[in-house]
Amino acid sequence: EVQVVESGGDLVQPGGSLRLSCATSGFSFNYYWMSWVRQAPGKGLEWVANIKYDGSEKSYVDSVKGRFTISRDNTKNSLFLQMNSLRADDTAVYYCAGDPLGPGGYWGQGTLVTVSS
Amino acid sequence: DVVMTQSPLSLPVTLGQSASIFCRCSQSPLNDDGNTYLNWFQQRPGQSPRRLIYKVSNRDSGVPDRFSGSGSGTDFTLKISRVEAEDVGVYYCMQGTHWPWTFGQGTKVEIK
Repeated sequence: EVQVVESGGDLVQPGGSLRLSCATSGFSFNYYWMSWVRQAPGKGLEWVANIKYDGSEKSYVDSVKGRFTISRDNTKNSLFLQMNSLRADDTAVYYCAGDPLGPGGYWGQGTLVTVSS
Repeated sequence: DVVMTQSPLSLPVTLGQSASIFCRCSQSPLNDDGNTYLNWFQQRPGQSPRRLIYKVSNRDSGVPDRFSGSGSGTDFTLKISRVEAEDVGVYYCMQGTHWPWTFGQGTKVEIK
């Protein structure tokens, strides 16, 4: 059975940092691109970042470039998102997605990040 | 960025009837590798998104065959045949060809 479980969401002050984790099982993690997608409260979906199966390629939406870093540990089937210089408009549920364009399409339940003083 | 425009934004449907959601892309999602990375997602109330369709017309595992995707170029359609109560939610189209990958605004499906 495929499992995708995000963690690390929390309440953080503006300017603060947070590291999100995504633990996976049940599929060949090291063969797939992985992504982070977010959804602000009551809003639509926004694709945040992608990372290639071997970590050699990464892409970020402009609004997080220079502040967020996506990474992965293929030995632990895990995906990460380091978020620095957090702003109020980063408040959202963050979803981890595996094989986003292929037959897999594995999504987690999300973790809530709230940026507020 | 590629703009994904969905219509309608609200779709009241009668149980057992069909419903169609349209998605227009500001640029074709046809990739240089020959694939068209146009996906459809369902988000039921209070739940995380679930992918229904990938590459225009391929149903994800476990998705009922009442759901079908079609289209080409810049215009795509998600059709729900014989709508059931469990189909209530917001539906999003999404393109995965041009970075940043982008979603439509969402179409809210509700039962009349």
